[in-house]
Amino acid sequence: QQPVQSPQAVILREGEDAVINCSSSKALYSVHWYRQKHGEAPVFLMILLKGGEQKGHEKISASFNEKKQQSSLYLTASQLSYSGTYFCGTNTGTASKLTFGTGTRLQVTL
Amino acid sequence: NAGVTQTPKFQVLKTGQSMTLQCAQDMNHEYMSWYRQDPGMGLRLIHYSVGAGITDQGEVPNGYNVSRSTTEDFPLRLLSAAPSQTSVYFCASSYSIQGWEQYFGPGTRLTVT
Repeated sequence: QQPVQSPQAVILREGEDAVINCSSSKALYSVHWYRQKHGEAPVFLMILLKGGEQKGHEKISASFNEKKQQSSLYLTASQLSYSGTYFCGTNTGTASKLTFGTGTRLQVTL
Repeated sequence: NAGVTQTPKFQVLKTGQSMTLQCAQDMNHEYMSWYRQDPGMGLRLIHYSVGAGITDQGEVPNGYNVSRSTTEDFPLRLLSAAPSQTSVYFCASSYSIQGWEQYFGPGTRLTVT
């Protein structure tokens, strides 16, 4: 079952902040975040693991609430280059599978 | 390092034809996977492999076969193409899905008429 992402789309002015949420109905071992620009492949942003470990880019921050099976990606002081579709992927730890949400389309304007 | 490579970049098939999408990685990753991406559906896992000789099904495996004879290569075979298989296909690799980032190939855009 796919995780649910919200919002589906958001438009920001450069310099504004945004939060993208990812929610699962299953207990999670890890949450992965990727960004995809139009016509390109997804690119890794961050992994959040059960127990608190995080791996990812320094300028990206995220949280993982293990009890609620929810994760949020925080984009602060947005830049034009942040535009794209953001996907969360979830892993329950019982199988080597990553299940992706349907994505959040982010557009940053001047 | 070339990373993850996929061939071809574009392909048009007629219904009923078969073909193989190629995927190779030079990072010595044990984990490899195939996803399809359709508008509004996100990335859906077709098949994955945790090492040479080991493969398993993902969410949408019907109509596709895979094998993993080497660490580097993970081809995806379409047995009898159908219009519903029109999609963009991404191959990805990782040391492990549990705790490591996936590197995605550039994708193959497949159209079945």
